[in-house]
Amino acid sequence: DAGVIQSPRHEVTEMGQEVTLRCKPISGHNSLFWYRQTMMRGLELLIYFNNNVPIDDSGMPEDRFSAKMPNASFSTLKIQPSEPRDSAVYFCASRSGRTPSDTQYFGPGTRLTVL
Amino acid sequence: LAKTTQPISMDSYEGQEVNITCSHNNIATNDYITWYQQFPSQGPRFIIQGYKTKVTNEVASLFIPADRKSSTLSLPRVSLSDTAVYYCLVGGAGNMLTFGGGTRLMVKP
Repeated sequence: DAGVIQSPRHEVTEMGQEVTLRCKPISGHNSLFWYRQTMMRGLELLIYFNNNVPIDDSGMPEDRFSAKMPNASFSTLKIQPSEPRDSAVYFCASRSGRTPSDTQYFGPGTRLTVL
Repeated sequence: LAKTTQPISMDSYEGQEVNITCSHNNIATNDYITWYQQFPSQGPRFIIQGYKTKVTNEVASLFIPADRKSSTLSLPRVSLSDTAVYYCLVGGAGNMLTFGGGTRLMVKP
């Protein structure tokens, strides 16, 4: 299994531009998570999908952020417009959800820099 | 969500055993205790998980007392490559896991 796949691995953009981060979860997993990590705030959960449905987006910082999961094998996190304070590493994780002890498997992350 | 408390940082030397303790006083009955390891520029990686007593795998051991209000991750004979941040999380199916600040372990030669 290739694990959780994220693209791009690095993204540099200018303030005001739209940014789209992509994630392919592990095949067969039915839960998907988007996290953001910064030195100041650590690892924060942004949104959580179960069976392609957003369950809790209370961690999404503001309306500039949106996430979709059109099918079980693909999710996007979009920032529009981007701001310098959005610079962070964004991780996607997936989980099978079949048993209570199922754990999350993380992707390699996308390092976003907004100039 | 059960909150966890763990030391911010720890230092050790190669070959020593390292024990990292995590407090989770308000753990729920159906919560599991999970530890993750994170190297710089990588996503967190699952190390070990337990519900009660002791769990051991090829990487670590996890000790959980009867009241489950704390847990201890034990890394035997650490090497330089074990330098990383270690996170303790508490939760179960359907629960979102909240990552705390983690414990930054530095292994010295």
